[in-house]
Amino acid sequence: QVQLVQSGTEVKKPGSSVKVSCKASGGTFSRHVISWVRQTSGQGLEWMGRIIPILGIADYAENFQGRVTITADKSANTVSMELSSLRSEDTAVYFCARQDFDWSPLDCWGQGTLVTVSS
Amino acid sequence: QSALTQPPSASGSPGQSVTFSCTGTSSDVGGYNYVSWYQQHPGKAPKVMIYEVSKRPSGVPDRFSGSKSGNTASLTVSGLQAEDEADYYCSSYAGSNVVFGGGTKLTVL
Repeated sequence: QVQLVQSGTEVKKPGSSVKVSCKASGGTFSRHVISWVRQTSGQGLEWMGRIIPILGIADYAENFQGRVTITADKSANTVSMELSSLRSEDTAVYFCARQDFDWSPLDCWGQGTLVTVSS
Repeated sequence: QSALTQPPSASGSPGQSVTFSCTGTSSDVGGYNYVSWYQQHPGKAPKVMIYEVSKRPSGVPDRFSGSKSGNTASLTVSGLQAEDEADYYCSSYAGSNVVFGGGTKLTVL
């Protein structure tokens, strides 16, 4: 049973970048899609973008275009999400989650990574 | 501001039924039968309870059911149990994006 294991808590300064990783433990990403979803306090869930690791093709939500980059390292069974030009409003818990296809449910989630942006 | 509209809270007593709504547009909920519902307990990752409007993943009790009419999807939890107290989020495929609702906090009285 594949588990998604994310990297640890981050504290960043405004204007900097953060990179969060998501590793498939106990298996591989196979042909799955990996999405990134963030949860800000009181704002619910927000989809940021997705990648098909086997193809390395990513696409992003309009709200994050130009600020987010999602990459995959197939040999390491790891997907990473980098968010740049951080501001205080980016303080959130960031989740990776697996789908079979773009329209499929997010059926396996990482444990979440807290990113705090503060001066 | 979330793309899908959910009431912020709902409540019910053990054994009762409660229904949550999730309103979108013809570009998301109304345009695709790819609505999912997620349950989230405090400090935990969300868990899918319903997908493709009304399908239940293996292991999800049949007390959870979903439906859709036009641009509004609904989740019904029957026979409320204490462990159902959680936040519930709807989600819909929207052509190239995935959109979420703001969530409904369910309190079991």
